[in-house]
Amino acid sequence: KQEVTQIPAALSVPEGENLVLNCSFTDSAIYNLQWFRQDPGKGLTSLLLIQSSQREQTSGRLNASLDKSSGRSTLYIAASQPGDSATYLCAVNGPNAGKSTFGDGTTLTVKP
Amino acid sequence: DTAVSQTPKYLVTQMGNDKSIKCEQNLGHDTMYWYKQDSKKFLKIMFSYNNKELIINETVPNRFSPKSPDKAHLNLHINSLELGDSAVYFCASSPTGLAGPYNEQFFGPGTRLTVL
Repeated sequence: KQEVTQIPAALSVPEGENLVLNCSFTDSAIYNLQWFRQDPGKGLTSLLLIQSSQREQTSGRLNASLDKSSGRSTLYIAASQPGDSATYLCAVNGPNAGKSTFGDGTTLTVKP
Repeated sequence: DTAVSQTPKYLVTQMGNDKSIKCEQNLGHDTMYWYKQDSKKFLKIMFSYNNKELIINETVPNRFSPKSPDKAHLNLHINSLELGDSAVYFCASSPTGLAGPYNEQFFGPGTRLTVL
């Protein structure tokens, strides 16, 4: 059974700081890994999707890495802004085809 | 031009009632999902359908019955609602089933169900 853990559960940083969110999973036989953000009372917004064959993926100030063999992914946010405040979730697709397992999320607060 | 839409956004009902939540996607995706997010914000898959065919059915009470009239729609019907069913239910879609390496899931805004 796939288990996904996100550390830390909560993070508070001053504006402008670079930060890293962590996601670890127990079964490395995955198809891909997806990072989302969720704003309070809202749905999930897809940030980045990393294929199982990729090592990293970038979008703007976001960079996600994947180390499948060690069961880890990181989401790097550069030059954080108050608008980045949200809960960040990682979802691991696999090893069961068609099933996605989510971590509990990291709640990020960026203070002005 | 909402990609994945759900109705209603809020649903408040009494225990024992039957209710439905509707989901539609206009992305041309083959696969749709229902997720439940509980009060602790933990998100868990309930069902997934690929081209109107059920492919994932997690350990969900059989009071929950998904229905896919076509690949753009996936509705969730809940019978005999219980207090523990209170949660936010999210619909999502992806181009094909999650077994593919390029699949990206897109989520709807959620339906907040409160059972009194």
